[in-house]
Amino acid sequence: GDSVTQMEGPVTLSEEAFLTINCTYTATGYPSLFWYVQYPGEGLQLLLKATKADDKGSNKGFEATYRKETTSFHLEKGSVQVSDSAVYFCALSLYSSASKIIFGSGTRLSIRP
Amino acid sequence: GAGVSQSPSNKVTEKGKDVELRCDPISGHTALYWYRQRLGQGLEFLIYFQGNSAPDKSGLPSDRFSAERTGESVSTLTIQRTQQEDSAVYLCASSLQRGGSYEQYFGPGTRLTVT
Repeated sequence: GDSVTQMEGPVTLSEEAFLTINCTYTATGYPSLFWYVQYPGEGLQLLLKATKADDKGSNKGFEATYRKETTSFHLEKGSVQVSDSAVYFCALSLYSSASKIIFGSGTRLSIRP
Repeated sequence: GAGVSQSPSNKVTEKGKDVELRCDPISGHTALYWYRQRLGQGLEFLIYFQGNSAPDKSGLPSDRFSAERTGESVSTLTIQRTQQEDSAVYLCASSLQRGGSYEQYFGPGTRLTVT
């Protein structure tokens, strides 16, 4: 069935380090791909998205490229900040069935000053 | 405009009691979703409403769970005879479902603790 697998956490980095959180997916059809972020004490927010192969989503310095050949959507940021500490969820949605988003298990990111 | 709101924000209940959780979607959003997030885990899809279509209930974990939606407005998730494993954050989301846009906007959640 359709699923999302992402890097297990927690991930701890120093400020200004380079970040990669891996995400791969399995889906029938042509999914849209998302990264959601959940900051401490806050609700889930959409961080970025890509709706077709080779699209790059970007927001707040984060980027992810929809790679159909490797079924991946890895999240990257060149220089993380303490304020990026949060839980990040990779997710997919199927146009053919817009009934739900399938989420990965989440990766907790902690940034040390 | 206002985002998705949920109430209560926190609910503590005794095992065996029934609970009702409420979701107010963004005005004009035709689709409404319920998810469950257990501690340290990802989100599990529970149920989806789209306009007047029959809801997709494929994610409901047992017949103790049910949900209703009034038109394209408020939704209520009901859990009967609560069990300790029902303890989780219950998230509601809404979506415009128009023009190819399926982005879901999430509410802050209701944290349910069953003692």
